[in-house]
Amino acid sequence: DQQVKQNSPSLSVQEGRISILNCDYTNSMFDYFLWYKKYPAEGPTFLISISSIKDKNEDGRFTVFLNKSAKHLSLHIVPSQPGDSAVYFCAALKGGSQGNLIFGKGTKLSVKP
Amino acid sequence: DADVTQTPRNRITKTGKRIMLECSQTKGHDRMYWYRQDPGLGLRLIYYSFDVKDINKGEISDGYSVSRQAQAKFSLSLESAIPNQTALYFCATSDFETSGGSSYNEQFFGPGTRLTVL
Repeated sequence: DQQVKQNSPSLSVQEGRISILNCDYTNSMFDYFLWYKKYPAEGPTFLISISSIKDKNEDGRFTVFLNKSAKHLSLHIVPSQPGDSAVYFCAALKGGSQGNLIFGKGTKLSVKP
Repeated sequence: DADVTQTPRNRITKTGKRIMLECSQTKGHDRMYWYRQDPGLGLRLIYYSFDVKDINKGEISDGYSVSRQAQAKFSLSLESAIPNQTALYFCATSDFETSGGSSYNEQFFGPGTRLTVL
């Protein structure tokens, strides 16, 4: 059973608008969440993270929101740029465990000029 | 120079052949990981190592083995490759930190190895 779910395989957004990527999780023991970005022919790169003691973390154009009661997090990109076109993976970490990340299946974002 | 390197970057092989994928890192991290990525399935953990003497199976270890030759080197072997092992393979490294009761595990990935088994 998948513990981290990204239900939208793809998302298309116009340049300059907001991109919202969603992620749901089932395990209430997860206490740290990360977003990774992946371009074709490259490895995933860390983008932004959030601890479960927070509900928002912001880094430039990227903001991650966490709703623990709903077991839901989202990544907002404002404004979206064509260079943001990539696959975005949500990942979760369970505190007190061996520290392995559980990844979602990814959402492919396309930002059109 | 890249912090995490993988060799080879691309490999085509035949069913039944033994294949080794290599990973090296210069980040000084103790933890290293091997993942595979298949279309529509995200990243799945094959094996991980928290130090040179510690090797653990991940979600999909069947058909694979690993060797942690040094802190900086972690290799993945397919003893007898089969077509459904055709995938993109990623190595990753991390430190592990705790602060205020929370754990942190930002992983740094290599560029990947595209393996095709015919």
